[in-house]
Amino acid sequence: EAGVAQSPRYKIIEKRQSVAFWCNPISGHATLYWYQQILGQGPKLLIQFQNNGVVDDSQLPKDRFSAERLKGVDSTLKIQPAKLEDSAVYLCASRKPGRKWETQYFGPGTRLLVL
Amino acid sequence: KQEVTQIPAALSVPEGENLVLNCSFTDSAIYNLQWFRQDPGKGLTSLLLIQSSQREQTSGRLNASLDKSSGRSTLYIAASQPGDSATYLCAVMMDSSYKLIFGSGTRLLVRP
Repeated sequence: EAGVAQSPRYKIIEKRQSVAFWCNPISGHATLYWYQQILGQGPKLLIQFQNNGVVDDSQLPKDRFSAERLKGVDSTLKIQPAKLEDSAVYLCASRKPGRKWETQYFGPGTRLLVL
Repeated sequence: KQEVTQIPAALSVPEGENLVLNCSFTDSAIYNLQWFRQDPGKGLTSLLLIQSSQREQTSGRLNASLDKSSGRSTLYIAASQPGDSATYLCAVMMDSSYKLIFGSGTRLLVRP
């Protein structure tokens, strides 16, 4: 079974530029998560999708971050405009449908550096 | 608001030692607790998941315990190996929201 795929793996941009990350979850996983992990900290949930609907985006900075999951499969996370403090690893995770307490499967992440 | 703390932040041990990583949380209304491993440049891998009604889980050389009432969990690694070098993250799943709240991790180095 293929794991969660993310691209790009690394991205360097200047502040005020825009950037987009892509995630392809494990086949059949209806729930998809985006996390932000700042260096030295644990991952923090940004947004959770159930199929193509948003379940929780309470910690997403909506003035600059947006995310979508068209057709309930792939997802993109966008930052526009980027700030220095957005430098972090962005992790995508997915979970099997049905049981909310089951483990989440994480992708390798996209490491973003904002200069 | 749930807060998860991991001590120590970093640990360096010689190969073969048994070691304990600690995790504490402030809100006992959790559904489960998980220990993850994170290697540089890679995602998180789930090691052990303990349901709130359980006291411990074991997998190979790893043993995790949970004391929900005191808000504590430990991850015990027996006979450590250089391949165990990684960052270990503790995460609690909240009872009401099923959200995962992570600690900041313990960075482990096992020296040959």
